[in-house]
Amino acid sequence: KNQVEQSPQSLIILEGKNCTLQCNYTVSPFSNLRWYKQDTGRGPVSLTIMTFSENTKSNGRYTATLDADTKQSSLHITASQLSDSASYICVVSANYQLIWGAGTKLIIKP
Amino acid sequence: NAGVTQTPKFRILKIGQSMTLQCTQDMNHNYMYWYRQDPGMGLKLIYYSVGAGITDKGEVPNGYNVSRSTTEDFPLRLELAAPSQTSVYFCASSTDINTGELFFGEGSRLTVL
Repeated sequence: KNQVEQSPQSLIILEGKNCTLQCNYTVSPFSNLRWYKQDTGRGPVSLTIMTFSENTKSNGRYTATLDADTKQSSLHITASQLSDSASYICVVSANYQLIWGAGTKLIIKP
Repeated sequence: NAGVTQTPKFRILKIGQSMTLQCTQDMNHNYMYWYRQDPGMGLKLIYYSVGAGITDKGEVPNGYNVSRSTTEDFPLRLELAAPSQTSVYFCASSTDINTGELFFGEGSRLTVL
């Protein structure tokens, strides 16, 4: 069964600190992996899309990594800001379907 | 810079009532989608469309209907609303179903009492 699992479920860190969110997937055949940011009460917004051949992709302070062999991805946030408080969702594309993770809820405290 | 526009933002329905959630996009995207998001859960695909006149079921289509008469509009109809349809509904669009970035609307929060 195609699945995307994210950890931790929630995370609280202090402003200015770094953090890493994890995504494990059992999806086949793999097409690409996406990270979305969803602010409370808003629609998801794309952060990165990574294909099989891409190991790392950055978008400002967000850096996503992909290990297609172990079927793991991570999203690293550097020098967190209050505006980073949101849910971060990992999505894997396979066979013209998108498999959505449940998300990690990140709270940044001043 | 409208992107994907959904209406209404909030709605309360009584059991058995019907309603239509409106979605329109101005990016000339062929692909459009309706998702629902329950608290603490991932998005689930209700219906999608690959172009005007073509629609197909997603994971959770029961209790819903869609139509796609134009490229811009993709309304979602709820017939005989049930409490299980209480959720936040998101419309999205993309250029491509497999590789294209999805652009989402702001969501419609529906409560069925």
